[in-house]
Amino acid sequence: NAGVTQTPKFQVLKTGQSMTLQCAQDMNHNSMYWYRQDPGMGLRLIYYSASEGTTDKGEVPNGYNVSRLNKREFSLRLESAAPSQTSVYFCASREAGLASYNEQFFGPGTRLTVL
Amino acid sequence: RKEVEQDPGPFNVPEGATVAFNCTYSNSASQSFFWYRQDCRKEPKLLMSVYSSGNEDGRFTAQLNRASQYISLLIRDSKLSDSATYLCVVNLMEYGNKLVFGAGTILRVKS
Repeated sequence: NAGVTQTPKFQVLKTGQSMTLQCAQDMNHNSMYWYRQDPGMGLRLIYYSASEGTTDKGEVPNGYNVSRLNKREFSLRLESAAPSQTSVYFCASREAGLASYNEQFFGPGTRLTVL
Repeated sequence: RKEVEQDPGPFNVPEGATVAFNCTYSNSASQSFFWYRQDCRKEPKLLMSVYSSGNEDGRFTAQLNRASQYISLLIRDSKLSDSATYLCVVNLMEYGNKLVFGAGTILRVKS
């Protein structure tokens, strides 16, 4: 099992360009998440999808959109990149349900620089 | 006030030392608690869950005090390979079982 995979690993954009970060998981998890991680700050939730067919905003959704393409795939789109979106982006998945101690699994991250 | 607060460190300790990390959380509705480990430029990985009764996994011991909203992690007999950032994490039922992350505590174990 590959777990959670993300593409690309690195990306450099110019201000105003758009791009889509791809994420897929092979663990049959219902819930998927997108986070960003900036120096000195904890991971912050951008968007999440509690189950296939649903998406919702997290703490920092401005400037982003998401698509839950199917149970496996959850993509994050930057429509018009800004330097403030320079960050490391992590996708994660987790089995849903009442067991709040379910582990959340992370992908390897995408390092994005916006010039 | 941050929802999860940790001492950022770094904690610089010799091999074999015992080191303790503390964490406080602000939301009394927090339901479950974890320590994740993050190596440099890698993704976070679950180190251990933290239960009300306290729990141990080898050299690692985690404690939870719900009344004080305080979580701790104790590492005994530190190894070079323990060098990493340790993230305190709490789970809220909102946001589809949202995990709230502390900014992390850096541990450097030196020979």
